[in-house]
Amino acid sequence: EIVLTQSPATLSLSPGERATLSCRASQSVSSFLAWYQQKPGQAPRLLIYDASNRATGIPGRFSGSGSGTDFTLTISSLQPEDIAVYYCQQRGKWPPWYTFGQGTKLEIK
Amino acid sequence: EVQLMESGGGLVQPGGSLRLSCTASGFTFRTYWMSWVRQAPGKGLEWVANIKPDGSETYYVDSVKGRFIISRDNAKNSLYLQMNSLRAEDTAVYYCARDLTGTVAYFDYWGQGTLVTVSS
Repeated sequence: EIVLTQSPATLSLSPGERATLSCRASQSVSSFLAWYQQKPGQAPRLLIYDASNRATGIPGRFSGSGSGTDFTLTISSLQPEDIAVYYCQQRGKWPPWYTFGQGTKLEIK
Repeated sequence: EVQLMESGGGLVQPGGSLRLSCTASGFTFRTYWMSWVRQAPGKGLEWVANIKPDGSETYYVDSVKGRFIISRDNAKNSLYLQMNSLRAEDTAVYYCARDLTGTVAYFDYWGQGTLVTVSS
């Protein structure tokens, strides 16, 4: 089973700053990795899939990079509405089991 | 507009059963893989089970194998999760989720979730 480890657990930044969130896989997942944003009391929202593709309607300040075992979600200029928990997720080769990282909580100073 | 709406959650005693439903609209339900994903209070996300578009294949996380059954009725645009032998650790918000078009890998639409509480 592939384990996803996210860091840091909490990130506190000021509006306008750049946020860098990390996700590390216990073994290679190629580029089969997604990022989700979950705001309090809401369902998760898909931000990035296949490591670097923005999902429909996602603002350009969100970008993803990486392959193999190390991945990064970058928010280029933080907005107050970006307060949320961010999860990475991968699907194993087959059977189609999905695993999530434990999440990074993003706070705005 | 794609919509997923869960129902059926509630309070159940340990060892009891519950059936969750998810009604889909705004897309061709019969052509998509569908999943259930849960989130325990204050915790992260955990994939629970998924089902092929025609219902011929199903997969489960190890912790629910033999206790939960995922199914679908494409004529009714509905997804189900039959939960038996419930345990306290099954307490969570349960979301139904659709796989991103053309993939069996990511979830592009989610319902609002239904809370299942297992407690005596």
